[in-house]
Amino acid sequence: DAKTTQPNSMESNEEEPVHLPCNHSTISGTDYIHWYRQLPSQGPEYVIHGLTSNVNNRMASLAIAEDRKSSTLILHRATLRDAAVYYCILRGGTYSGAGSYQLTFGKGTKLSVIP
Amino acid sequence: GAGVSQSPSNKVTEKGKDVELRCDPISGHTALYWYRQSLGQGLEFLIYFQGNSAPDKSGLPSDRFSAERTGGSVSTLTIQRTQQEDSAVYLCASSLEARGNEQFFGPGTRLTVL
Repeated sequence: DAKTTQPNSMESNEEEPVHLPCNHSTISGTDYIHWYRQLPSQGPEYVIHGLTSNVNNRMASLAIAEDRKSSTLILHRATLRDAAVYYCILRGGTYSGAGSYQLTFGKGTKLSVIP
Repeated sequence: GAGVSQSPSNKVTEKGKDVELRCDPISGHTALYWYRQSLGQGLEFLIYFQGNSAPDKSGLPSDRFSAERTGGSVSTLTIQRTQQEDSAVYLCASSLEARGNEQFFGPGTRLTVL
């Protein structure tokens, strides 16, 4: 699986925008970029995903570099509830068979939100 | 509607005992995954079920681990002769189909092996 690189931790002030970076220089043409987050003592939660174009949903925006070797998850106004570990995951769009569907989690970025 | 549920939420057992962990996926979801998360670590894939197909067991760490999914719905993860290194949070996720973009995770079962 192609690997992603994220900072170990980031801090943000409440009500400020947050940009969480992810590098994936070995991404293949069919890999989708997925973001999940995990709040303390909870299971992971889907945030957003994209392939080439920037994406927006009610939770966040995903900005994908033109060469697709990096992406940025954008939280427009951080709240205390956004404090979590954010995972950037590549997921193959072409499946080779059973075993291709699981998510491969790295260490993620621990986001702290300061009131 | 109801999300993915797991039971028990916490399980403390003695080394050498067998344990069973249960997962109730979202109704209608054909794909089901088990992961585990050791303290301070990322999630590790264990096993995946899709409909009536043979499960993908490639992530199971040893033959002490097994899982089944009855009737395409409820799944049970069994760990035999538990060891202290089995202590972790075991997470179950389901998705509408195998290629479903979003996996919905349960709250997990925290297993502690003394």
